[in-house]
Amino acid sequence: DIQMTQSPASLSASLGETVSIECLASEGISNSLAWYQQKPGKSPQLVIYGTSNLQDGVPSRFSGSGSGTQFSLMISGMQPEDEGVYYCQQTYTYPRTFGGGTKLEL
Amino acid sequence: QVTLKESGPGILQPPQTLSLTCSFSGFSLNTYGMGVGWIRQPSGKGLEWLANIWWDDDKYYNPSLKNRLTISKDTSNNQAFLKITNVDTTDTATYYCARTTLGWFAYWGQGTLVTVSS
Repeated sequence: DIQMTQSPASLSASLGETVSIECLASEGISNSLAWYQQKPGKSPQLVIYGTSNLQDGVPSRFSGSGSGTQFSLMISGMQPEDEGVYYCQQTYTYPRTFGGGTKLEL
Repeated sequence: QVTLKESGPGILQPPQTLSLTCSFSGFSLNTYGMGVGWIRQPSGKGLEWLANIWWDDDKYYNPSLKNRLTISKDTSNNQAFLKITNVDTTDTATYYCARTTLGWFAYWGQGTLVTVSS
């Protein structure tokens, strides 16, 4: 199985700060990576797919980059509604695997 | 508008079989490239992918659950199903179904909490 490792596990940001979350795959997955945001008591919501494609309705302050084994999610200008837990997921092969999550707080 | 909704027993005992239903609208599992996946999340923990079923009835399972999983669909009624046999307390989690196309899960249900307790 491909292991997905996220860092940091938790992160505290200030309003307007640029934030970056990293995701490392145990082997190359090309650009087959998605990011999800989950708020307390809610289902995960797709933020980015294919490493860098913004899901419809997601603010443009979110961006994704990377390839191979190293990926990152960036939020350019932290907003209160961006709080939550972020998960990466490889879509390259089965079994699908998720990172352990990064808790982002304001 | 794509919506999905999971339903399940709420509580069950070991070593019963867990049966989950995903009722969806806004898409069809007869459509080329369409799929439904099941993902679970123990309280306070991360996400674990369980299984996918595709429009052509292709199925994929998480090998970590060995042979306990069975995924199926009823395209006429826009439903997908997941069965997990021989449950124990470690299967206690919120279970989500989600629509998938090219690997990612773009639409999720609200989740259904399943508690396994003797």
